[in-house]
Amino acid sequence: GAGVSQSPSNKVTEKGKDVELRCDPISGHTALYWYRQSLGQGLEFLIYFQGNSAPDKSGLPSDRFSAERTGGSVSTLTIQRTQQEDSAVYLCASSFILGLDEQYFGPGTRLTVT
Amino acid sequence: AQSVAQPEDQVNVAEGNPLTVKCTYSVSGNPYLFWYVQYPNRGLQFLLKYITGDNLVKGSYGFEAEFNKSQTSFHLKKPSALVSDSALYFCAVRGSQGNLIFGKGTKLSVKP
Repeated sequence: GAGVSQSPSNKVTEKGKDVELRCDPISGHTALYWYRQSLGQGLEFLIYFQGNSAPDKSGLPSDRFSAERTGGSVSTLTIQRTQQEDSAVYLCASSFILGLDEQYFGPGTRLTVT
Repeated sequence: AQSVAQPEDQVNVAEGNPLTVKCTYSVSGNPYLFWYVQYPNRGLQFLLKYITGDNLVKGSYGFEAEFNKSQTSFHLKKPSALVSDSALYFCAVRGSQGNLIFGKGTKLSVKP
């Protein structure tokens, strides 16, 4: 079956611009997670959704980051006024049950801020 | 706070030899432990997990891991390495939000 998909696969943007990253989880998975992978910081957890709800946004690096999920499916991660330190690979994952099942990861979006 | 440590940045093994990739954890309560593999320019792929039950967990591609509570370890093993096993391996523990907390990763290099 279809796995987790993310778009775009690559995004180059100028410092100060806004970007929107999209994640399509596996159908039927109620939990969705966003992570960031960079050379300096490794794999960082950003935010999770249970259904459409994100109870804890404390993992987001700054108030320039926001995320939403609609219809219990697609999620978007928005970064406003991008900075060079936002350059990383943004990974999305989904699981059937929050915290108990293995998470299935998408291929990621490589964001480069110039 | 939960955390995992992967003490080796890189592990080198000859094809056909057994391999071990080390992981230790620190959690409050019972640990939920995972291993993932990442091939170049690819996302993370799930290998295996330990939730409860047998200490020896079998996973994908012939990998297994041994949960050792007294040593707080969850080492990944394979009896006979393949060149195609060369990749980046991540150990992870479940965090308080159901998220995964990853180690820094270990690069496995299997030479013919």
